[in-house]
Amino acid sequence: EAGVVQSPRYKIIEKKQPVAFWCNPISGHNTLYWYLQNLGQGPELLIRYENEEAVDDSQLPKDRFSAERLKGVDSTLKIQPAELGDSAVYLCASSLGSLAGGGSYNEQFFGPGTRLTVL
Amino acid sequence: GNSVTQMEGPVTLSEEAFLTINCTYTATGYPSLFWYVQYPGEGLQLLLKATKADDKGSNKGFEATYRKETTSFHLEKGSVQVSDSAVYFCALKVNTGFQKLVFGTGTRLLVSP
Repeated sequence: EAGVVQSPRYKIIEKKQPVAFWCNPISGHNTLYWYLQNLGQGPELLIRYENEEAVDDSQLPKDRFSAERLKGVDSTLKIQPAELGDSAVYLCASSLGSLAGGGSYNEQFFGPGTRLTVL
Repeated sequence: GNSVTQMEGPVTLSEEAFLTINCTYTATGYPSLFWYVQYPGEGLQLLLKATKADDKGSNKGFEATYRKETTSFHLEKGSVQVSDSAVYFCALKVNTGFQKLVFGTGTRLLVSP
């Protein structure tokens, strides 16, 4: 079974340019997550989708970041315009649902990430 | 708030040495605890988990015990291999509402032959 696919793996752009990252989750996974991972830090959740609906985007800087998940499968994360501080790894993950009752856990499967460098 | 604190790396060991990576947490309520591993060039993978106090998670020779009294979830392995070289992330999930993982900063393990 294919894992979470992300592209591109690496991206170098100049500041003020737009950039987009693409994620294809594991087939059948209705929940999709975008995380930001700064150098030397753990991943931090940016946005979570349940099917095509963004249900938790409180950490997404909405002035320059946007995301979409048309048809509830693939997702795109965009930054426009990019700033120097956006240099990081952008991770996508997916799971079968996301309800957290008690000790239940729907394992999140992570893609390899896109490493963005803004010059 | 909810947070995870891990020991800073890198941790450098020789093959067959004993490994401990410390992890402590702060959380409201009783979270579930996880260790994720990230091998070079790959995505994070779930290594093991524990959902309640005194549970022991184990996988691939790694173990961690959920200690409520010390709010800790230290990762251990009796004999590391070169192939264990990776970055290890401790994480928690609050057990209400929708699952949200809160990660530590990660600890890099380097194992030499």
